Amino acid sequence: EVQILETGGGLVKPGGSLRLSCATSGFNFNDYFMNWVRQAPGKGLEWVAQIRNKNYNYATYYAESLEGRVTISRDDSKSSVYLQVSSLRAEDTAIYYCTREALKQLYGVMDAWGQGASVTVSS
Amino acid sequence: DTVLTQSPALAVSPGERVTISCRASESVSTGMHWYQQKPGQQPKLLIYGASNLESGVPARFSGSGSGTDFTLTIDPVEADDTATYFCQQSWNDPTFGGGTKLELK
Repeated sequence: EVQILETGGGLVKPGGSLRLSCATSGFNFNDYFMNWVRQAPGKGLEWVAQIRNKNYNYATYYAESLEGRVTISRDDSKSSVYLQVSSLRAEDTAIYYCTREALKQLYGVMDAWGQGASVTVSS
Repeated sequence: DTVLTQSPALAVSPGERVTISCRASESVSTGMHWYQQKPGQQPKLLIYGASNLESGVPARFSGSGSGTDFTLTIDPVEADDTATYFCQQSWNDPTFGGGTKLELK
């Protein structure tokens, strides 16, 4: 069974930083790209970042709105992916989901999602 | 960014057929996917590549479209389908529609 578990959320002061972790199991982590997607309270979904696998030299991609403040990384030995977010603002308050991306019909598809980690930015 | 536009809400009766639309600001070929999100839960993949049913998803769900106009159809609708449905494109950097909240009468 595919399992994805995010940790590291919490209450952070504006200007602070946070590192989210995503532990996975039940699939061959090395074969997949991984993403972070966030959802502000009562709002829609926003893609944050992607990290590709070793075959693609662990290439990383970021949403323009967040570039420069976020860093995605992975540790294949731990089947885990991470998201570092800095200079946090109130508008970064959201649930952050870790997603697995599978290649289906030649498209990258987020076919498995974790339960999410809640991040609140407030003084 | 490719902007995806969805109607905000729909209300239907159980047993009816419902179509949820998603329009892209530019062509995404068939790189459109649909997710269901129930309150307090993570999104769940329903349809990928515009029309392919994800494994384990009931055949009541179907998708169609290409280019800029896409549709998710549920036929027949069941009470358990109360949820918000999001479209997402992966032709360019991923973007999501604003979601369509489906309520049952």
